[in-house]
Amino acid sequence: KAGVTQTPRYLIKTRGQQVTLSCSPISGHRSVSWYQQTPGQGLQFLFEYFSETQRNKGNFPGRFSGRQFSNSRSEMNVSTLELGDSALYLCASSLSTGPNTEAFFGQGTRLTVV
Amino acid sequence: SQQGEEDPQALSIQEGENATMNCSYKTSINNLQWYRQNSGRGLVHLILIRSNEREKHSGRLRVTLDTSKKSSSLLITASRAADTASYFCATAPVWRGGADGLTFGKGTHLIIQP
Repeated sequence: KAGVTQTPRYLIKTRGQQVTLSCSPISGHRSVSWYQQTPGQGLQFLFEYFSETQRNKGNFPGRFSGRQFSNSRSEMNVSTLELGDSALYLCASSLSTGPNTEAFFGQGTRLTVV
Repeated sequence: SQQGEEDPQALSIQEGENATMNCSYKTSINNLQWYRQNSGRGLVHLILIRSNEREKHSGRLRVTLDTSKKSSSLLITASRAADTASYFCATAPVWRGGADGLTFGKGTHLIIQP
């Protein structure tokens, strides 16, 4: 069974640009969550999608948005990039959204904003 | 904000020794999960322990949970060089039914000396 696939793996963008990251969950998984990892703040929850609906959102500005498609694939978008947005963005898929559901992570997309 | 706090921040031991990492958290939880991350790559799910469980084993891993002290420990027995990685605990809070995404600690960086 294929794992969680994130594309691209690496990305370099200029301040002010926007970026779209993609995540394909494990087949059959309907929940996708996104996390940002930085050396200073560690791993922080961005948002969660289930059945094409955003269920929860972390404490991030509106420049961070996402969506989920009918095949459960998800994208996240960051507009008006800032230097501080440089981070490893991790996507996790789960079978459902129950509290005791295990989350499986992809390899991440490393975004560098210059 | 970070709920989990791993201790120690870094740990270096000889191959074959046991490694113990601790995690403390602040709010009531549905479950606590441990993850491993190699060199800024994706997170690998190790084990999930529910709030009504006290101990769980998986291969060379042993996890304990003390909800009265809001703490957990991860023991890796007979460590190997391949265990060198960062280890994170993540909690699913009980309020809102654990639907706010996982809250991660800052991690313990484990180095196994050959």
